[in-house]
Amino acid sequence: GAGVSQSPSNKVTEKGKDVELRCDPISGHTALYWYRQSLGQGLEFLIYFQGNSAPDKSGLPSDRFSAERTGGSVSTLTIQRTQQEDSAVYLCASSPRLAGDDTQYFGPGTRLTVL
Amino acid sequence: GEDVEQSLFLSVREGDSSVINCTYTDSSSTYLYWYKQEPGAGLQLLTYIFSNMDMKQDQRLTVLLNKKDKHLSLRIADTQTGDSAIYFCAERTGTASKLTFGTGTRLQVTL
Repeated sequence: GAGVSQSPSNKVTEKGKDVELRCDPISGHTALYWYRQSLGQGLEFLIYFQGNSAPDKSGLPSDRFSAERTGGSVSTLTIQRTQQEDSAVYLCASSPRLAGDDTQYFGPGTRLTVL
Repeated sequence: GEDVEQSLFLSVREGDSSVINCTYTDSSSTYLYWYKQEPGAGLQLLTYIFSNMDMKQDQRLTVLLNKKDKHLSLRIADTQTGDSAIYFCAERTGTASKLTFGTGTRLQVTL
């Protein structure tokens, strides 16, 4: 079946602008995660959604970052007033979170460049 | 706390075995994963091991887990040029939902 998809694949923006990144998880997966991959910091957890529970936002680096997940499926990560240090690849993953299968399956990522 | 470490670079000749090592600090890790990332691509799950296992084999891949030393390794038999990539180990601990990744090991396969 189809894997996790993300859009856009590349985004170039100017410092101070807002950006929205989209993630379509694998159908039927109840859990959705956002990670960030940057040169200086490696792979970092940002936020996690599981069903109707309150999201785990413990990895968001600042209040400029927010995310929502509508209808338990598609998720949008929003970065307001982008800064150059926000430049990174933003990866989304989904998981069925069933007994015996907690694996996270990753999308191809969105490469964000802030000029 | 959670901290996962890997060596940064490994070079092997085509046909040889590769061994990529990983150490972690959280003894409550439940699952440990190996992901592969090719240039410009996302993370591809290679294999995983549950913390109550010592070894798992899947075709050319062998995962060894030494829970006492908190050491995880990935052995790739008969390494091919297509195996050139960055390999990340990751741990999932207890009821925590997130993965903590290592720094990644760049595997270079030479002819």
